Amino acid sequence: GAGVSQSPRYKVAKRGQDVALRCDPISGHVSLFWYQQALGQGPEFLTYFQNEAQLDKSGLPSDRFFAERPEGSVSTLKIQRTQQEDSAVYLCASSSGTSGSKETQYFGPGTRLLVL
Amino acid sequence: GNSVTQMEGPVTLSEEAFLTINCTYTATGYPSLFWYVQYPGEGLQLLLKATKADDKGSNKGFEATYRKETTSFHLEKGSVQVSDSAVYFCALSKTGANNLFFGTGTRLTVIP
Repeated sequence: GAGVSQSPRYKVAKRGQDVALRCDPISGHVSLFWYQQALGQGPEFLTYFQNEAQLDKSGLPSDRFFAERPEGSVSTLKIQRTQQEDSAVYLCASSSGTSGSKETQYFGPGTRLLVL
Repeated sequence: GNSVTQMEGPVTLSEEAFLTINCTYTATGYPSLFWYVQYPGEGLQLLLKATKADDKGSNKGFEATYRKETTSFHLEKGSVQVSDSAVYFCALSKTGANNLFFGTGTRLTVIP
């Protein structure tokens, strides 16, 4: 079966533009996560969905960041009025259940966003 | 709070050398611990995990033991190969939470 896919793989935006990043999780996976990975750093949690419900958005850095998963499968991370500090790799991960801490998260290849 | 501290890299080893990458953590309760690996041009993938104290995770010749007394989860491999060249991330997941907390990663290069 297919793994987690993300699109686009690379995105260049001018400062102030809005961007939308897409994640297709593994089919049937209930849990979906977004992480932000700055250059030379480990991924940092942004938000978590269980089916279509966004249960945790504590990691979103500002109200310019918005995520949705309306039908409980594909998810979109939207960044409004992009800033240079938003430049990073955005990772999506999914897991099959909801038991949380012990589960394996499967990661996509990431979207590399560069804001000029 | 929750945090993971990893041995800083980069690490360069000759083929068949012994590998240790240190990882210590700070967390309340009993977190689960993970090692993820990122091969060049690929996404993060789980290497091994341990969900309770004294558990040993192992995969592809790599091992790590969950040591609660020293709050550590060091990654070891007895004989590295060129194909092990990658970035290795230690991570924890706090009990009752869903997200992972990652270390900064350690880049390993194995030379023939």
